[in-house]
Amino acid sequence: DVKVTQSSRYLVKRTGEKVFLECVQDMDHENMFWYRQDPGLGLRLIYFSYDVKMKEKGDIPEGYSVSREKKERFSLILESASTNQTSMYLCASSFWGYSNQPQHFGDGTRLSIL
Amino acid sequence: ELKVEQNPLFLSMQEGKNYTIYCNYSTTSDRLYWYRQDPGKSLESLFVLLSNGAVKQEGRLMASLDTKARLSTLHITAAVHDLSATYFCAVDSTQGGSEKLVFGKGTKLTVNP
Repeated sequence: DVKVTQSSRYLVKRTGEKVFLECVQDMDHENMFWYRQDPGLGLRLIYFSYDVKMKEKGDIPEGYSVSREKKERFSLILESASTNQTSMYLCASSFWGYSNQPQHFGDGTRLSIL
Repeated sequence: ELKVEQNPLFLSMQEGKNYTIYCNYSTTSDRLYWYRQDPGKSLESLFVLLSNGAVKQEGRLMASLDTKARLSTLHITAAVHDLSATYFCAVDSTQGGSEKLVFGKGTKLTVNP
């Protein structure tokens, strides 16, 4: 079974802090994704990566950056956390070029910015 | 810009009844995915639909794709309480394998005894 592991289930940080969310997958997937999920808005793509050191902006990249130094690990960085970044963050991974395979999701990190 | 619209957003139904959730999307795509999310849990893949006319079934759920109408349906047959969850459709309009998905807002299904 594919395992996508997010480092924290719950996280509380303060406004202005630099926040790191970590995601690791064990299936040698090329693609990795970061989404945020908000009530009534569904899932929105923040950033994705299709290879080590490669990244592309999603639909809502403002206020975020990412890092992919190793194939299995994809980090989401909130450079200076703000209260409007309080949300559920979901990491996902998939094979590149195999659209018959779905994205696999981690359990999510519920982040509160105070 | 691809837009994905699900309806209804909320659905309350009785056990044993049938119902359909609709997923409309705005630009050409032949790759559509359905996911289920239980409260406090992550998303679980249900179906992958990759061509016009594709139909997949698992238990009481059946999904279909009409790429010409840009419409997918998720049909629930003889609902049971265990199907209570939020269901999302997601559409991929990218070329190649990067799978940049756009999700609908989700349909929260409650099945009452």
